[in-house]
Amino acid sequence: GDSVTQMEGPVTLSEEAFLTINCTYTATGYPSLFWYVQYPGEGLQLLLKATKADDKGSNKGFEATYRKETTSFHLEKGSVQVSDSAVYFCALSSTGGFKTIFGAGTRLFVKA
Amino acid sequence: DTGVSQNPRHKITKRGQNVTFRCDPISEHNRLYWYRQTLGQGPEFLTYFQNEAQLEKSRLLSDRFSAERPKGSFSTLEIQRTEQGDSAMYLCASSLPGYNEQFFGPGTRLTVL
Repeated sequence: GDSVTQMEGPVTLSEEAFLTINCTYTATGYPSLFWYVQYPGEGLQLLLKATKADDKGSNKGFEATYRKETTSFHLEKGSVQVSDSAVYFCALSSTGGFKTIFGAGTRLFVKA
Repeated sequence: DTGVSQNPRHKITKRGQNVTFRCDPISEHNRLYWYRQTLGQGPEFLTYFQNEAQLEKSRLLSDRFSAERPKGSFSTLEIQRTEQGDSAMYLCASSLPGYNEQFFGPGTRLTVL
């Protein structure tokens, strides 16, 4: 069945460091790919998405590119801030599908 | 606020009791989903409604769990004879037809003592 695997956390970075959180997926067809973020005490929020191969999703300085050949959707940010501290979830939704399949989440701590 | 709302936000109950949670989706969204999230894990799909019809149920949804969406608007999730293993965050999400982007509510955190 469809699945998502993302790098284990926690990831601890200093402010202004470069961030990469790896995500790979297994799916039939051509899924849509998502990154969700969960800030402390808040609900899941969609951060960015990509719906087809080579699409790049971006938001709030974060980027991820849909790589079909490597079945990956890695999250990157050039310069993290303390306010980016949160749990990040990679997810997929299959073509015509009705449910979203999530990775286990990666907790990010950014130190001032 | 026009987002997805869930009530209650927290529920503490004793093992064996029944609990019911409510979800109000974004008004024009006809698809509604329930997920469960345990500590350190991503959300896991439980069930899905399109309008009032429940179209899919996960194997995670044992016979102690029942969900309804009687008028195609709000939904309820009931857990009968709660067990300690039911302790989790229960998330509701909604989406427009033809779109697989889901909007999540804040969740109901259940603690079974």
